[in-house]
Amino acid sequence: LAKTTQPISMDSYEGQEVNITCSHNNIATNDYITWYQQFPSQGPRFIIQGYKTKVTNEVASLFIPADRKSSTLSLPRVSLSDTAVYYCLVGDLDRGSTLGRLYFGRGTQLTVWP
Amino acid sequence: AAGVIQSPRHLIKEKRETATLKCYPIPRHDTVYWYQQGPGQDPQFLISFYEKMQSDKGSIPDRFSAQQFSDYHSELNMSSLELGDSALYFCAGYKKGINTGELFFGEGSRLTVL
Repeated sequence: LAKTTQPISMDSYEGQEVNITCSHNNIATNDYITWYQQFPSQGPRFIIQGYKTKVTNEVASLFIPADRKSSTLSLPRVSLSDTAVYYCLVGDLDRGSTLGRLYFGRGTQLTVWP
Repeated sequence: AAGVIQSPRHLIKEKRETATLKCYPIPRHDTVYWYQQGPGQDPQFLISFYEKMQSDKGSIPDRFSAQQFSDYHSELNMSSLELGDSALYFCAGYKKGINTGELFFGEGSRLTVL
């Protein structure tokens, strides 16, 4: 199972762009990279998923280099409400006959200051 | 839109007692994952079910058991409760085959063991 490594914490100010990088050196060919956001005492919430290159949705962008050994979540113009823990997960929920699992590694506590 | 429902939201038990947590996934979601999140910890994968069969097993203690029923809801049964079982328990649902990687989490059940 691919292990992920992220920074434990990051600080930013409102309006800035935040980039959180995740390392996943032993990612498997079938694995996707998925990012979740979690507020205290709430369930994690899906942000974005990608396999390679760049993916963008209404809230974030995900950059994945060709070797796929890392990925970077980019949050444009963060606000105070973006203060949360961000998790990078690697896996494939649809893998073959054995359902993949998504392991939560150590997330990144992002704190946005006014 | 209907979300993932977990019950009870809060539960207080004494050591050595038993507890049952319930999870009702979004309609048509055939896969359920259970996670345990201790205070200040990251979510730990416990067990998962697909089409009412156990599909994967993580760090679930032998004192715990779970099942998925014909209506796809799932129950996590915990016996001989220990102080260390105090945690937030999340369940997440997924529809296999759509490959979005998006697990839909409930708001969690907070178990306190005294």
